[in-house]
Amino acid sequence: AQSVTQPDIHITVSEGASLELRCNYSYGATPYLFWYVQSPGQGLQLLLKYFSGDTLVQGIKGFEAEFKRSQSSFNLRKPSVHWSDAAEYFCAVGAWGTGNQFYFGTGTSLTVIP
Amino acid sequence: DARVTQTPRHKVTEMGQEVTMRCQPILGHNTVFWYRQTMMQGLELLAYFRNRAPLDDSGMPKDRFSAEMPDATLATLKIQPSEPRDSAVYFCASGLEGTEAFFGQGTRLTVV
Repeated sequence: AQSVTQPDIHITVSEGASLELRCNYSYGATPYLFWYVQSPGQGLQLLLKYFSGDTLVQGIKGFEAEFKRSQSSFNLRKPSVHWSDAAEYFCAVGAWGTGNQFYFGTGTSLTVIP
Repeated sequence: DARVTQTPRHKVTEMGQEVTMRCQPILGHNTVFWYRQTMMQGLELLAYFRNRAPLDDSGMPKDRFSAEMPDATLATLKIQPSEPRDSAVYFCASGLEGTEAFFGQGTRLTVV
């Protein structure tokens, strides 16, 4: 069955430090993978997506993610975190052809300390 | 700048009242989703439309929830009668099948 796991419920980093948010998926076919960010009171905004090709994808706001098929992972990274990055981050897998088109992880809440 | 528009942004209603939430998907998108977000359950898919036809509403309590797309520019989610446990943020999202979904700002529903 399709699923997405974000093992870290909450992460705290210092401003300027590097960041890695973990995402593991379970999907029988080639996955389409996404990272979304949600600021308080807002909807989900797409950070980046992976459909095929280069396994290192660049997104908005300086984020990148690497698809590792052997590890069924799609971890999100940022070399230097800014205070404005504090938000909830969701990993998702696209499952077109089934009833539930997207499987979302439970989210990772990021706190950035000065 | 194309975006998904949801109205109202906030709604407070009394238990037993009917609630209607509206969504204007991005022009040209052929898929529309309704999600519910709560602290306990996270993001739950309630309904999914493709080309205005409901393809999956298995996540929706059928006795009180209904979702429709009367035309390509409007999707509605209705709760009748509403209950306190329906308090949540309801998101509409649209997209082209096989690509990412674009989310609206959500409707925060409080049922008292």
